[in-house]
Amino acid sequence: QKEVEQNSGPLSVPEGAIASLNCTYSDRGSQSFFWYRQYSGKSPELIMFIYSNGDKEDGRFTAQLNKASQYVSLLIRDSQPSDSATYLCAVIWNSSYKLIFGSGTRLLVRP
Amino acid sequence: EPEVTQTPSHQVTQMGQEVILRCVPISNHLYFYWYRQILGQKVEFLVSFYNNEISEKSEIFDDQFSVERPDGSNFTLKIRSTKLEDSAMYFCASSLAGESDTQYFGPGTRLTVL
Repeated sequence: QKEVEQNSGPLSVPEGAIASLNCTYSDRGSQSFFWYRQYSGKSPELIMFIYSNGDKEDGRFTAQLNKASQYVSLLIRDSQPSDSATYLCAVIWNSSYKLIFGSGTRLLVRP
Repeated sequence: EPEVTQTPSHQVTQMGQEVILRCVPISNHLYFYWYRQILGQKVEFLVSFYNNEISEKSEIFDDQFSVERPDGSNFTLKIRSTKLEDSAMYFCASSLAGESDTQYFGPGTRLTVL
């Protein structure tokens, strides 16, 4: 059974701090990893994707992938109150088309 | 910026009725998907569609569900006889390529079955 696990939170950080969101997955045959942001009542919005081990940076966001440890994380630098949302980790396994989502981590950024 | 659109935004129906949810994927995308999210739960994959046929489907996608691309722009999800447990947000997504490619989501249709 392929699963994606996230701490549901909430993770509370002050404005300007670094928020660190973590995700583990169950099977080594995974290929692609995605972070989506979801505001309450809205659809998932893509933040980043990562395919290879290591770090990938895009503006205030950094995704980190460690396939040996089956672990992917998202760092948000200089967190803003507008970053308050649920962050969804999603994985596509080899030879599949479907995104398998974690349950999401709720992030609260305090002004 | 191109985006996926969905109609209606909210659909209310009686149990046992048929509903059709509509999506217009991003115009140059070739792969289309439906997901659903029951309130307070994970986003769940239903089906993927490419070249006018289903490429993958989940256990949720039983005989009550069907998908169609009736013309060059629309992609539809039909639920033949709705059940109370079909109440959820239904998201359409599309991607340019298939396996492992980035999927972009529409705003969703909230389906309420009474």
